[in-house]
Amino acid sequence: AQSVTQLDSHVSVSEGTPVLLRCNYSSSYSPSLFWYVQHPNKGLQLLLKYTSAATLVKGINGFEAEFKKSETSFHLTKPSAHMSDAAEYFCVVSDRPVGSNYQLIWGAGTKLIIKP
Amino acid sequence: NAGVTQTPKFQVLKTGQSMTLQCAQDMNHEYMSWYRQDPGMGLRLIHYSVGAGITDQGEVPNGYNVSRSTTEDFPLRLLSAAPSQTSVYFCASKEGVTYEQYFGPGTRLTVT
Repeated sequence: AQSVTQLDSHVSVSEGTPVLLRCNYSSSYSPSLFWYVQHPNKGLQLLLKYTSAATLVKGINGFEAEFKKSETSFHLTKPSAHMSDAAEYFCVVSDRPVGSNYQLIWGAGTKLIIKP
Repeated sequence: NAGVTQTPKFQVLKTGQSMTLQCAQDMNHEYMSWYRQDPGMGLRLIHYSVGAGITDQGEVPNGYNVSRSTTEDFPLRLLSAAPSQTSVYFCASKEGVTYEQYFGPGTRLTVT
């Protein structure tokens, strides 16, 4: 069965420093992986997705993530944090092929705190 | 386009009451779904629909009903509210073959 673990419930960084949000997954098949962001009291927005093309995926707002099969990881990074990045981030996995119905498994979320 | 809209934004119910959470999308998406979000648990799928007239259960369907009479609307009914249903509810839609889901702003429900 597939599962996803976000290793930190909270991450705190200073503005202008790098961001690393960690995600590990388990999957019986070749997974598709996603990162979503949720700003306070707002809905969810797709940041980026990996669906078996390039292992380094670039997303919106300067975020990127690297799929590492040997480590079963899909960590989210950004070179320089901005105050507007403060939000909750969710790692999501699916091992169903594109076009199938909903079988997405959500991580518990990581709250990113940006210190001025 | 308004995208995915949900009403109400907030709701307080007493145990045993019933109500319907409304969800509508104007993107002509086939797939729609309902999730609940609880602290420390991420999102869990309640029910989903792959087109008008077709619905199916997700991970946590008990206590909820859905119907899909049109492409645009996908209401979620709580039959007899329980405190365990206190949560934030999100509706989402997507096109047929892409995983990119578009989420509504959410409904915060409290059951006392």
